[in-house]
Amino acid sequence: DGGITQSPKYLFRKEGQNVTLSCEQNLNHDAMYWYRQDPGQGLRLIYYSQIVNDFQKGDIAEGYSVSREKKESFPLTVTSAQKNPTAFYLCASSSPGENTGELFFGEGSRLTVL
Amino acid sequence: DQQVKQNSPSLSVQEGRISILNCDYTNSMFDYFLWYKKYPAEGPTFLISISSIKDKNEDGRFTVFLNKSAKHLSLHIVPSQPGDSAVYFCAASAYDSWGKLQFGAGTQVVVTP
Repeated sequence: DGGITQSPKYLFRKEGQNVTLSCEQNLNHDAMYWYRQDPGQGLRLIYYSQIVNDFQKGDIAEGYSVSREKKESFPLTVTSAQKNPTAFYLCASSSPGENTGELFFGEGSRLTVL
Repeated sequence: DQQVKQNSPSLSVQEGRISILNCDYTNSMFDYFLWYKKYPAEGPTFLISISSIKDKNEDGRFTVFLNKSAKHLSLHIVPSQPGDSAVYFCAASAYDSWGKLQFGAGTQVVVTP
């Protein structure tokens, strides 16, 4: 069945290490997004991609990097430059043709920096 | 600068009663509003939406009301059920920023028997 798969679900990292979160979708959606959720805050947009080989910074892109080499995949790398990386990360996708703005989310990846 | 605000972090309601969740926004360019429901350790799921050309949208037990002049929307859940216990996020987007949603901080709803 169609959906968005994020892995790993839980990840621990030592300070100074880069880590890559995987996001794969089989919904045939053109657009994909990465959001971050912190306690007591709404979801904040990190990066988004509306088409393969193209992506734009969101509201809090510093310390993160992405790639979009395939329509189905939008991995997020949390670099050592990200000052406060411990958070819940959510990947989402959408289809511009549906014109609703509705996002479909994966189940999230919780990153903890030790 | 938070453009979408949910000022009530939590709401407790008895089963069978009405839950009313509120959301305010500041950006007059927003023209589409959505509500998402989220359980712990899961991604949000879409619940209901409303376009700025409407002032009400209903889907079963869920109704969203939009007051553009007040830049305010609300979600009504009637009757509330135990399975409705979750965090509810209000989100908004502007036509020229399609897909880039701005989210509120969420309201934790607890439905008690």
